Amino acid sequence: DAGITQSPRHKVTETGTPVTLRCHQTENHRYMYWYRQDPGHGLRLIHYSYGVKDTDKGEVSDGYSVSRSKTEDFLLTLESATSSQTSVYFCAISNNDRGNYGYTFGSGTRLTVV
Amino acid sequence: QKEVEQNSGPLSVPEGAIASLNCTYSDRGSQSFFWYRQYSGKSPELIMSIYSNGDKEDGRFTAQLNKASQYVSLLIRDSQPSDSATYLCAVILTGGGNKLTFGTGTQLKVEL
Repeated sequence: DAGITQSPRHKVTETGTPVTLRCHQTENHRYMYWYRQDPGHGLRLIHYSYGVKDTDKGEVSDGYSVSRSKTEDFLLTLESATSSQTSVYFCAISNNDRGNYGYTFGSGTRLTVV
Repeated sequence: QKEVEQNSGPLSVPEGAIASLNCTYSDRGSQSFFWYRQYSGKSPELIMSIYSNGDKEDGRFTAQLNKASQYVSLLIRDSQPSDSATYLCAVILTGGGNKLTFGTGTQLKVEL
């Protein structure tokens, strides 16, 4: 999707293990976002980044950390996975620096914590 | 009160009819509004953006914005079975920087 890829596409992991999801973009866009999508809750922002090494929390950041060491990569880490973190995770890039042109989303990662 | 609200549906319309999807938002100062389409098992896809009061048309899609009533809608004319999807309303709230806040989506079913 428009130069944004997520990996892995699917993952099953055990409770208590750390998990890292990767988002890679080829658009050289400054702003990147991680959302999770759950039935009845819609898309909720976990963390976002406004540049290399510049990140901030969203509304559901507990239990998650992020890193951005390069413009093109934004990593989401579940420090100790719990069953409540079973979800579909989407990465997005802002279509312009002001964000008022909307986002483009990656294909998503379906994570199951057992 | 949720910041962005949508009826979850499903909204069922016959093929060829007009589908009307609605969204209300709580922040009167919001300036940027978006509609995304999401097919089952796929990622959201941006289909419309609107920033000023009134109507904005793009093909079979029309977005309508009424800031006084804090209401944004999406009309789909000549609905097709391929329009069957979940439609997400998203808003940039005042003070939200450029972060989008999403509604929970309305499921649309276009029936033959």
